[in-house]
Amino acid sequence: KQEVTQIPAALSVPEGENLVLNCSFTDSAIYNLQWFRQDPGKGLTSLLLIQSSQREQTSGRLNASLDKSSGRSTLYIAASQPGDSATYLCAPKGYSGGGADGLTFGKGTHLIIQP
Amino acid sequence: KAGVTQTPRYLIKTRGQQVTLSCSPISGHRSVSWYQQTPGQGLQFLFEYFSETQRNKGNFPGRFSGRQFSNSRSEMNVSTLELGDSALYLCASSLDPVGSDTFGSGTRLTVV
Repeated sequence: KQEVTQIPAALSVPEGENLVLNCSFTDSAIYNLQWFRQDPGKGLTSLLLIQSSQREQTSGRLNASLDKSSGRSTLYIAASQPGDSATYLCAPKGYSGGGADGLTFGKGTHLIIQP
Repeated sequence: KAGVTQTPRYLIKTRGQQVTLSCSPISGHRSVSWYQQTPGQGLQFLFEYFSETQRNKGNFPGRFSGRQFSNSRSEMNVSTLELGDSALYLCASSLDPVGSDTFGSGTRLTVV
């Protein structure tokens, strides 16, 4: 059974800092891994998708890396802004005999960027 | 293009009742998944439908069921509601089971 751990659970930093959020997963049999953000009481917004054959993906100030063999992914946020404040979730999509499984989520990293 | 639409946004039900939630996926997406989010358990996978067939099911009791229609719209049903079923229910759609998932805004269910 896939288990996902995200570290740190919470982070509060001043605006402008570069950040690294960590995600580890126990089963390397994955199709892909997505990073999401969630604002309070809202749904999930997809940030980046990394296929299992890829090492990293970039979108604007965000960069996500994937090391499938060690079961790790990181999300790098450059030049953080107050609007980046949210909960960040990582979710690998595994597979089993029947094909793709559902997403398995970590508890998330609650990020606060201080103006 | 329109995103994933979930209705209703909010729902209050009494213990013992049943409830049906609806999800309309992005046009062209054939895979729909459902998740339950609670403060204690976080986000948990309920089930996934692709081409009107349930492909995967999470570890939830049989009171939780779903279906998918030929136009890919999906509904989930919870029977004999319990207080612990109070949660945000999220639906996600993707082109196929291995594709990128796009989530809706969710349905907030409160059981009293």
